[in-house]
Amino acid sequence: GENVEQHPSTLSVQEGDSAVIKCTYSDSASNYFPWYKQELGKRPQLIIDIRSNVGEKKDQRIAVTLNKTAKHFSLHITETQPEDSAVYFCAASRGGSTLGRLYFGRGTQLTVWP
Amino acid sequence: NAGVTQTPKFRILKIGQSMTLQCTQDMNHNYMYWYRQDPGMGLKLIYYSVGAGITDKGEVPNGYNVSRSTTEDFPLRLELAAPSQTSVYFCASSYSTESNQPQHFGDGTRLSIL
Repeated sequence: GENVEQHPSTLSVQEGDSAVIKCTYSDSASNYFPWYKQELGKRPQLIIDIRSNVGEKKDQRIAVTLNKTAKHFSLHITETQPEDSAVYFCAASRGGSTLGRLYFGRGTQLTVWP
Repeated sequence: NAGVTQTPKFRILKIGQSMTLQCTQDMNHNYMYWYRQDPGMGLKLIYYSVGAGITDKGEVPNGYNVSRSTTEDFPLRLELAAPSQTSVYFCASSYSTESNQPQHFGDGTRLSIL
């Protein structure tokens, strides 16, 4: 099955700085890559996703990039704010016969210091 | 819409007891999933379902059972609770006429086995 590696496991940044979280995947057939944000004690919430026919996607301060050749994708948060503090999970899916099942990375604890 | 609703939110079980974690969604989603989340380990898929009457195993199905008698409900059953099943359990759903549609999560059930 798919193996998703996520780095770093913890990340601390000053408010206003940028944060980058990186993930690699093993299955070249994976074609969907969502990112979830999970605040303490809360449910994971989708913040952005990208499909394999796109190299980059932006939504305000959040962007995701995908390199299919290298099999890695990254989450970029600019102008970080304290409310960005949370655990972020990347995931990968190949769809098709596996019916959209997601394989998750282990998560990155992001702390934004005011 | 309430989205994905899970009950109970918290539960403590003794070793060997059984219980059912309830999950219901009101979004008319065909696909439903059960994950467990252990500290530092991301989310692991336990079971999933593509529609009423159809279920399949995920990555970590041992010790669990599921059923899907209606589109809305997808309960998870623990027959003989073991300490290794102490975890946070999330139910999720998605609507797919094709794969790779976003998954929506419930608030989770925090389960402790003592």
